[in-house]
Amino acid sequence: QQPVQSPQAVILREGEDAVINCSSSKALYSVHWYRQKHGEAPVFLMILLKGGEQKGHEKISASFNEKKQQSSLYLTASQLSYSGTYFCGTTGGNTDKLIFGTGTRLQVFP
Amino acid sequence: DVKVTQSSRYLVKRTGEKVFLECVQDMDHENMFWYRQDPGLGLRLIYFSYDVKMKEKGDIPEGYSVSREKKERFSLILESASTNQTSMYLCASSLIGKLFFGSGTQLSVL
Repeated sequence: QQPVQSPQAVILREGEDAVINCSSSKALYSVHWYRQKHGEAPVFLMILLKGGEQKGHEKISASFNEKKQQSSLYLTASQLSYSGTYFCGTTGGNTDKLIFGTGTRLQVFP
Repeated sequence: DVKVTQSSRYLVKRTGEKVFLECVQDMDHENMFWYRQDPGLGLRLIYFSYDVKMKEKGDIPEGYSVSREKKERFSLILESASTNQTSMYLCASSLIGKLFFGSGTQLSVL
């Protein structure tokens, strides 16, 4: 039931780029992205609602391929503040019930 | 500012005890959620409530029940706590799909 995220972990130097993928075996209505810093609650990044939609948030953007039931989160020119665990969440059909993936741990070093 | 308050940050209980985890939101949101977070497993949905007295099971409802008698309050109940329910519990409320999380309750069952 949980969407699958890959990779499980990413290590970057400042300024490098990363891609985090999220895929589901079920038809998706929306994809949500959250970031959780160590010891803190998850924080909302963005929601993608339409097939093929792409959204941006600072240097973090995402795409949603409804047909493939996949979403990707793109982090460009990473900063130290990007470190944390990224979760995708998905909803299917006519419900706001949000199911999260297992997370991707991102560490950015100077 | 948006606020989701969980009654306890840390809780220690004995096996077999009945445990209540309380969550209050001050934003008049209709949707509320209970997740548990375990290393490597991400955020797993226990229960979801979309209105007062309305609920849906999540992926792991076994051993848990919930109560939503008032819109602002969503309680998670462990009828008979077991050691495998030792975990971080996160409550959230949502508006137009955007979740706001509480700071979490770390429950230890001994």
